[in-house]
Amino acid sequence: EVQLVESGGGLVQPGRSLRLSCAASGFKFDDYAMHWVRQAPGKGLEWVSGISWNSGSIGYADSVKGRFTISRDNARNSLYLQMNSLRVEDTAFYYCAKIVGGLKDNWGQGTLVTVSA
Amino acid sequence: SYELTQPSSVSVSPGQTARIACSGDVLAKKYARWFQQKPGQAPVLIIYKDSERPSGIPERFSGSSSGTTVTLTISGAQVEDEADYYCYSAADIHVVFGGGTKLTVL
Repeated sequence: EVQLVESGGGLVQPGRSLRLSCAASGFKFDDYAMHWVRQAPGKGLEWVSGISWNSGSIGYADSVKGRFTISRDNARNSLYLQMNSLRVEDTAFYYCAKIVGGLKDNWGQGTLVTVSA
Repeated sequence: SYELTQPSSVSVSPGQTARIACSGDVLAKKYARWFQQKPGQAPVLIIYKDSERPSGIPERFSGSSSGTTVTLTISGAQVEDEADYYCYSAADIHVVFGGGTKLTVL
């Protein structure tokens, strides 16, 4: 069974940093691209960042470019999101997701990041 | 940049058929998925690969695709289907979401 478990969320002040982790199991992690998606309270879903299986291709939403860094450790079956210079508007649930072509996607349950003074 | 457009709201009476369209150029080349999200809950995948239904999703939910538009159909909508519905697709290393459609069943 595929499982994606996010961790690392919490309350942080504006301007500070936070690192999210996603532990993957139940599939061959290094075969797939992975993504971070977020949803602010009362808002829609927003793609944050994606990384190819070998980290050779990486993309970011304009809203986080230059502040967030996605990475992965295939040996540890883990995905990360380093979030720097956090803003109040980064407050959201952050989801780790395996989104692949014609296959059924898999999503974690999310971790809440609250940016507030 | 990729964009997906869906109506902000759709309203049907119980037992009627609800249709939610999602359009965007990316859908001509890439598969669409649909999420259902009820208040206070995490999104649930109800359609992938345009029309495939994950196990456990009722048969009244179906998806179809034509050109740059995909459609989620709920046949015989029930009160418990009232929720927000999001379409999304992936192209290269990017994922794009529609703005969401609030389905009201009353």
